[in-house]
Amino acid sequence: QKEVEQNSGPLSVPEGAIASLNCTYSDRGSQSFFWYRQYSGKSPELIMSIYSNGDKEDGRFTAQLNKASQYVSLLIRDSQPSDSATYLCAVSPGANSKLTFGKGITLSVRP
Amino acid sequence: NAGVTQTPKFQVLKTGQSMTLQCAQDMNHNSMYWYRQDPGMGLRLIYYSASEGTTDKGEVPNGYNVSRLNKREFSLRLESAAPSQTSVYFCATERDGLSGNTIYFGEGSWLTVV
Repeated sequence: QKEVEQNSGPLSVPEGAIASLNCTYSDRGSQSFFWYRQYSGKSPELIMSIYSNGDKEDGRFTAQLNKASQYVSLLIRDSQPSDSATYLCAVSPGANSKLTFGKGITLSVRP
Repeated sequence: NAGVTQTPKFQVLKTGQSMTLQCAQDMNHNSMYWYRQDPGMGLRLIYYSASEGTTDKGEVPNGYNVSRLNKREFSLRLESAAPSQTSVYFCATERDGLSGNTIYFGEGSWLTVV
C-alpha cells in the first residue's frame, strides 16, 4: 500500500513568517511530486510540482525534494492570511500514473 | 472555457435511493477520475478512466459504478445510497505530461445521504 504522510496539523504561523509543510512517502519508485492548495469549500488547485532532488522556487513558494530520505516539503515565505488553506501533498510513480494524496495539513496565517 | 464541470453541486438523498453525478470536461484530456473527500481522510480515488470506453477501480470503488461513454464525460452512479457515502465528490482530469501528471479538479459535488 503506497502511503503519503503529512503532519496532522493544524499549523499556525504569524503573518510574514515562513511556513514549512512536510510530507513523506513510502514508494521509493516515486517520480513526481505535487503540492495542492485547497481553500475551504473549494476544489484543490496545483501550486507546485517537483521531479528532481533539490529545490524549486516559484515566487514565495519553494518545494524541496529529497528522494533518498523520501520526503518532500513546501516552504511558504512571507506568509499571508490569504495562504490560509489546506495543503495536500501528492505523489506519483511517474508519467501517466495515478496520484496518491496525503490527508492534508491546514495552515492558518495569523494577521 | 469551463474546464471540468460537475453536476449537481449539492444533493440530499435518502438511504437506498440512486443517483448519478455528472462530469464533463472541455480540456481534451484522456484521463478522468472520481475522488471522494472526507474529513481526516484526504482524497481517495473511487474510479478512473484512462481513455474513452475504459474504466478501472481505484481505492474505494464499492457501492459505485462509472461510465465513460465519450472523451468528454465521466459519470459516477450510486445504485443504492448509504449514509457512509455522504461525502464531497470531485471529478478530475489529467494532462498527460512527459514527466508526470497535472490534475485539474471540478468544483465538487456535496452529497448527503440521510
